[in-house]
Amino acid sequence: GENVEQHPSTLSVQEGDSAVIKCTYSDSASNYFPWYKQELGKRPQLIIDIRSNVGEKKDQRIAVTLNKTAKHFSLHITETQPEDSAVYFCAASMHNNNDMRFGAGTRLTVKP
Amino acid sequence: DTGVSQDPRHKITKRGQNVTFRCDPISEHNRLYWYRQTLGQGPEFLTYFQNEAQLEKSRLLSDRFSAERPKGSFSTLEIQRTEQGDSAMYLCASSRGTGSNQPQHFGDGTRLSIL
Repeated sequence: GENVEQHPSTLSVQEGDSAVIKCTYSDSASNYFPWYKQELGKRPQLIIDIRSNVGEKKDQRIAVTLNKTAKHFSLHITETQPEDSAVYFCAASMHNNNDMRFGAGTRLTVKP
Repeated sequence: DTGVSQDPRHKITKRGQNVTFRCDPISEHNRLYWYRQTLGQGPEFLTYFQNEAQLEKSRLLSDRFSAERPKGSFSTLEIQRTEQGDSAMYLCASSRGTGSNQPQHFGDGTRLSIL
């Protein structure tokens, strides 16, 4: 089955800097890759997603890139703000599979 | 608020007791998922429903776990004879459509603590 690995497990940046979180997946049939943000004690919230027919997607300060050949995808946050501090999870799934596999998460801290 | 709602938010019980959690998905979503999340980990898939049909349950953690969605709307997750290792956050998510490659929207979860 699908296996998703996420790096780094913790990331600390200065306010205004960029943050990059990387994930790799094992099953080349995976075609949907969402990213979730989870603040302490709250639900995971979908912040951006990408499908395998595109290589990049951007939404304001957040972007995701996908390299299908290498089977990895990344989350890029620019101009980070303290409210970006949270745990971020990547995930991978495919249409005909039953479940979505999540990475172990990255705890991002943005220092003011 | 028309998001996914879960009840209760917290459940504390003694080892050996049975517990049941409820999830109300977003109303137009026909897929409903249950996940378990332990500290420092991502959500772990348990089971899912397409309307009232439970299409995958092999990933339920043991035969003590069961789930239902009798009318294709709300769902319940039951854990029988709870054990210490069952302590975790149980999350529910829902999505549109018929595939797993659709955005899933999560509820706030039920935090289970086994004494």
